[in-house]
Amino acid sequence: QVKLQQSGAELVKPGASVKLSCKTSGYTFSTSYMSWFKQIPGQSIEWIGMIYAGDGGTGYNQKFKGKATLTVDTSSSTAYMDLSSLTTEDSAVYFCARGWLTIDYYFDYWGQGVMVTVSS
Amino acid sequence: DIQMTQSPASLSASLGETVTIQCRASEDIYSGLAWYQQKPGKSPQLLIYGASSLQDGVPSRFSGSGSGTQYSLKISSMQTEDEGVYFCQQGLKYPWTFGGGTKLELK
Repeated sequence: QVKLQQSGAELVKPGASVKLSCKTSGYTFSTSYMSWFKQIPGQSIEWIGMIYAGDGGTGYNQKFKGKATLTVDTSSSTAYMDLSSLTTEDSAVYFCARGWLTIDYYFDYWGQGVMVTVSS
Repeated sequence: DIQMTQSPASLSASLGETVTIQCRASEDIYSGLAWYQQKPGKSPQLLIYGASSLQDGVPSRFSGSGSGTQYSLKISSMQTEDEGVYFCQQGLKYPWTFGGGTKLELK
């Protein structure tokens, strides 16, 4: 079955960077899209960006350009997101999710989420 | 960006009661709408896509309807396991955007 397994919780200092991972199984990663999301507990969900594993092509929400960088390793079926120059406003739960294009674009399988806490 | 507005922000329902949640888009999204359920500490689960298509494995008491800018999610008979937060998402135009969420509790 399809699984997306994210890395563990992170505690990072302001100004630092962090790299989150999302290891997949159960489907053909190399021809799929992966998106990343930010959710502050108790709030809504923001789409950060997406990457096509086939060629590494990316698309970002303008709000997160310069903050997030998406990459993939097709040999391990893993997607990554680098978050840079972290501030307390980046403290949130981050999810990865497989993109599913029908007539429109949805997200059918999600990782369990990872809490990133930015604190000195 | 397309703005998605949900109402109500929260509601409580009794077992067996019918529940309806609304979602309005800032422009016509041509039925490009999904509904997700999120339980505390968990990731969102896709319930409905294309405004009215039920995702595999989702109970038939869930249904979606709507067109243009107005959409709704209906739960025909509230169950204990339906407690959670429900989000709508537009899938028509990039960047993909979500509503603010509706918290559903058992009365």
